[in-house]
Amino acid sequence: AQSVTQLGSHVSVSEGALVLLRCNYSSSVPPYLFWYVQYPNQGLQLLLKYTTGATLVKGINGFEAEFKKSETSFHLTKPSAHMSDAAEYFCAAKKDSNYQLIWGAGTKLIIKP
Amino acid sequence: NAGVTQTPKFQVLKTGQSMTLQCAQDMNHEYMSWYRQDPGMGLRLIHYSVGAGITDQGEVPNGYNVSRSTTEDFPLRLLSAAPSQTSVYFCATLGKLSGNTEAFFGQGTRLTVV
Repeated sequence: AQSVTQLGSHVSVSEGALVLLRCNYSSSVPPYLFWYVQYPNQGLQLLLKYTTGATLVKGINGFEAEFKKSETSFHLTKPSAHMSDAAEYFCAAKKDSNYQLIWGAGTKLIIKP
Repeated sequence: NAGVTQTPKFQVLKTGQSMTLQCAQDMNHEYMSWYRQDPGMGLRLIHYSVGAGITDQGEVPNGYNVSRSTTEDFPLRLLSAAPSQTSVYFCATLGKLSGNTEAFFGQGTRLTVV
């Protein structure tokens, strides 16, 4: 069965430091891949997605992710963390042939001043 | 264009009470789903629907019922609330009109069962 693994339930970085949130998927066929962000007491919103084409995907708020088929990874990065980036981030995968999303457990990003 | 609207935002129930969480969308998406979110457990799928008149179970369906009589609405019913159902509930939609690649979420319903 397809699965999505996020390494680290909590990641803490200093303001201005690099943000790296890890996501690996298990699938013999590369799925569509997503990163969603959830700010406190809000719903989830799409940060970025990979479907086909360019493997480096840029999203909102300066985030980007790179699809690496050989590593079955889709890690999320941002060069310089801002206090407003504090949120929970979810990685998800989906086959193009159906609607079901497979979710990672989420990573809470903590920004230290 | 409201997107996905969930009501109520907050609810406190006593054990054994029943209630319905409402989800409405105006994007003409065929797929609608209900998730519950608990600390450290991510999102778990309760029920989903791929169109009016069609529903199916997700990974944690026990204690919940759904129906889909229209494209727009997908209510979630708790038949007899239990403290284990204390959670945050999200409705999410997907549709071919949005390229079938992005899920749209409501703002959530925070439910406490005492």
